[in-house]
Amino acid sequence: GQQLNQSPQSMFIQEGEDVSMNCTSSSIFNTWLWYKQDPGEGPVLLIALYKAGELTSNGRLTAQFGITRKDSFLNISASIPSDVGIYFCAVMNYGGSQGNLIFGKGTKLSVKP
Amino acid sequence: EAGVVQSPRYKIIEKKQPVAFWCNPISGHNTLYWYRQNLGQGPELLIRYENEEAVDDSQLPKDRFSAERLKGVDSTLKIQPAELGDSAVYLCASSLNGRASGIGELFFGEGSRLTVL
Repeated sequence: GQQLNQSPQSMFIQEGEDVSMNCTSSSIFNTWLWYKQDPGEGPVLLIALYKAGELTSNGRLTAQFGITRKDSFLNISASIPSDVGIYFCAVMNYGGSQGNLIFGKGTKLSVKP
Repeated sequence: EAGVVQSPRYKIIEKKQPVAFWCNPISGHNTLYWYRQNLGQGPELLIRYENEEAVDDSQLPKDRFSAERLKGVDSTLKIQPAELGDSAVYLCASSLNGRASGIGELFFGEGSRLTVL
């Protein structure tokens, strides 16, 4: 089935540093999303991207939908301790009459104060 | 506004025992999802409901898993009998509109962590 490849698997950074992570697919998808999961919680939507080439910001977060529709990246600027968590990319799979979300394996972010 | 509520938060059972999880979605959300999340992995869809209809259960292991959403509101997911490999977090999510509108915003509960011994 479809698979999303996220990299890196994990990151250890110093507070204040910028972070960049990406997600690729061998298939074309028309909707890309980034979710964050805190320990013991369910994922929460950060940014949704609906148009190839689109660059969208949400506070210190910036995400881009690749022009080929096969990739996306997420940047976090000036990281803070509460950015710790697992970041998942997800795509909307329109197989059948409705859409389902397919998630990547996640990038685990650790921030050192 | 209350979020997606799941129970129990934690469950430890021996293999071959049955287990059930309950989910109450956000009020007014017509679409309900059950996902399974294995350790170190992303969530994987088990079943999606539109109101009371299961519109996608292709990933649900039907020999031991069952789900229902009788009145189109809350839902239960059952495993009988449980196997060691079923240890995972079972996440319930809801959304306002499950159509292919490109929204993709799912609201997740905190999950039910199952440990099968």
